[in-house]
Amino acid sequence: ETGVTQTPRHLVMGMTNKKSLKCEQHLGHNAMYWYKQSAKKPLELMFVYSLEERVENNSVPSRFSPECPNSSHLFLHLHTLQPEDSALYLCASSQGLAGGGPGGEQFFGPGTRLTVL
Amino acid sequence: KNQVEQSPQSLIILEGKNCTLQCNYTVSPFSNLRWYKQDTGRGPVSLTIMTFSENTKSNGRYTATLDADTKQSSLHITASQLSDSASYICVVIPFTGNQFYFGTGTSLTVIP
Repeated sequence: ETGVTQTPRHLVMGMTNKKSLKCEQHLGHNAMYWYKQSAKKPLELMFVYSLEERVENNSVPSRFSPECPNSSHLFLHLHTLQPEDSALYLCASSQGLAGGGPGGEQFFGPGTRLTVL
Repeated sequence: KNQVEQSPQSLIILEGKNCTLQCNYTVSPFSNLRWYKQDTGRGPVSLTIMTFSENTKSNGRYTATLDADTKQSSLHITASQLSDSASYICVVIPFTGNQFYFGTGTSLTVIP
């Protein structure tokens, strides 16, 4: 195990539902990330939090709303999603930001497989 | 066009054989290049991290090389094992910002 857990592992939701994805890291890291992984596409960085402040929002639709209440927890709140949002959502953490230097090695959780009907 | 291209898309090899995966990128300048292994149903796991000034980095049976002049990196796997079956992802990280450039990965299958 990488020290990063995600729940639920699988989620099926309708387009009008509201749900949340949860990520918890047990590594004492100070940066956390949300990624979207779709079939046959590169990983897409969605949000970056450093010291509980959002430092990156990669033009993600407002139907995805992140929350980082403390350095160990990260949530992704979902509402009125579209079928094309179906994907694997990965959370990662690092000590220091991964961008800009060889440090900040990222540790990934197992992901939440989301299906939007 | 993706700034990180990986080849081949998929590869099947016999257990015990060696293989080399390729990563071509256009991101410039960049701070470091990383290779990840992603098993089915799991998140990616870091294999190697190379700065722009490094040429090679090893991690057990995995050896990554980097040619900054040709903007190419390769991941060589020696004496493959069944557990090497996974997707291998190349990531290029520029000096500034938090935009990571991911390849689409190479799916490796090792058969007995």
